[in-house]
Amino acid sequence: SYVLTQPPSVSVAPGQTARITCGGNNIGSKSVHWYQQKPGQAPVLVVYDDSDRPSGIPERFSGSNSGNTATLTISRVEAGDEADYYCQVWDSSSDLSFGTGTKVTVL
Amino acid sequence: QVQLVQSGAEVKKPGASVKVSCKASGYTFTSYYMHWVRQAPGQGLEWMGIINPSGGSTSYAQKFQGRVTMTRDTSTSTVYMELSSLRSEDTAVYYCTRLAAAGTINYYYGMDVWGQGTTVTVSS
Repeated sequence: SYVLTQPPSVSVAPGQTARITCGGNNIGSKSVHWYQQKPGQAPVLVVYDDSDRPSGIPERFSGSNSGNTATLTISRVEAGDEADYYCQVWDSSSDLSFGTGTKVTVL
Repeated sequence: QVQLVQSGAEVKKPGASVKVSCKASGYTFTSYYMHWVRQAPGQGLEWMGIINPSGGSTSYAQKFQGRVTMTRDTSTSTVYMELSSLRSEDTAVYYCTRLAAAGTINYYYGMDVWGQGTTVTVSS
């Protein structure tokens, strides 16, 4: 299956910018989705198709994808953004894959 | 409102089977494919497979081939996931989740609606 690698953790101060990477072979040619998961809750889709936001997701959440790395950027980080974040990719060549997950800690 | 409501927690012995249900409401059940995803304690998300509620066709992750069966009942807008030959490593929270695109498999859309999760514990 297609391997997606994320940093285990990212720490950021309130009001600053958090960047979470998702590495995969030629991931720039695929569509990447991002999920936020808070403890004890189901995941929530925050970005789809690299950079689109579902309705209700703040503009502070944005995404990009190029080469071998996709990135989720959270601007003006708030305490409520503290959660685990997962990238996800799926295409006709392999099973659907999730990234290893990144825990975002707001200092 | 659009929602997915799953069945309650299960405790099973090794070697047994478990069947989890997921009842959809608030949208046209047959218009959206449904994924199943699981999460072991303290671990990440793992994809199990997908079912087309319209025709019933399925696609399973290679890891679960031969051990998982996904079905649906259009009369009750419910999808089911059955996992057999359970082992301790199958202890996890199991989620049903809707593929956001209507009518077809579409890789450009994520999973926009999630059930609340069903905890399955496998223990002797």
